[in-house]
Amino acid sequence: NAGVMQNPRHLVRRRGQEARLRCSPMKGHSHVYWYRQLPEEGLKFMVYLQKENIIDESGMPKERFSAEFPKEGPSILRIQQVVRGDSAAYFCASSPPTAGAYEQYFGPGTRLTVT
Amino acid sequence: GENVEQHPSTLSVQEGDSAVIKCTYSDSASNYFPWYKQELGKRPQLIIDIRSNVGEKKDQRIAVTLNKTAKHFSLHITETQPEDSAVYFCAASKKGNSGYSTLTFGKGTMLLVSP
Repeated sequence: NAGVMQNPRHLVRRRGQEARLRCSPMKGHSHVYWYRQLPEEGLKFMVYLQKENIIDESGMPKERFSAEFPKEGPSILRIQQVVRGDSAAYFCASSPPTAGAYEQYFGPGTRLTVT
Repeated sequence: GENVEQHPSTLSVQEGDSAVIKCTYSDSASNYFPWYKQELGKRPQLIIDIRSNVGEKKDQRIAVTLNKTAKHFSLHITETQPEDSAVYFCAASKKGNSGYSTLTFGKGTMLLVSP
């Protein structure tokens, strides 16, 4: 059973470009969470999605950031017109759909560098 | 919203000593408290968790205690080894109305175990 997969692992973008980060949850998991980690900081919740639905995007900046989890394929976090302050590690986590499941399992992260 | 404070930010111990990391939370409705270990450049890995219906949980050399009245929980590592060196994050969450939980993380503790 493969773990949570993320790609790319490292992404370099110039200011103003778009960044597209992908996350494939663990097999059998239908809940995806995105977190951002700034250097020497904890992880900050951004958005929670189920298949084809955004459930909670309270942690996501209102502008330039969007997320989706289509019926087929990975979840995608999209950052438009990147700025230097977007440089961070972006982690996704997944959890199973069962009501009693609290555990979240993290992917290896995408380290975004904006130059 | 939930606020999680974590102390200390750095902790240096000698191999074989015990290490204790403490966290406090603000939302009395939080009911799930995981601990994650993150090695440099790697993903956060769930090492132990506790739910609010128990006060203590142990798994080999690691244990977690929870005091719901005081709203604090702690990670205890006994007989530390150099491979325990990493950043440890505590987190708190509660199930939302839709049955999901988003994690609020502390800022992390860098544990260094010297041989």
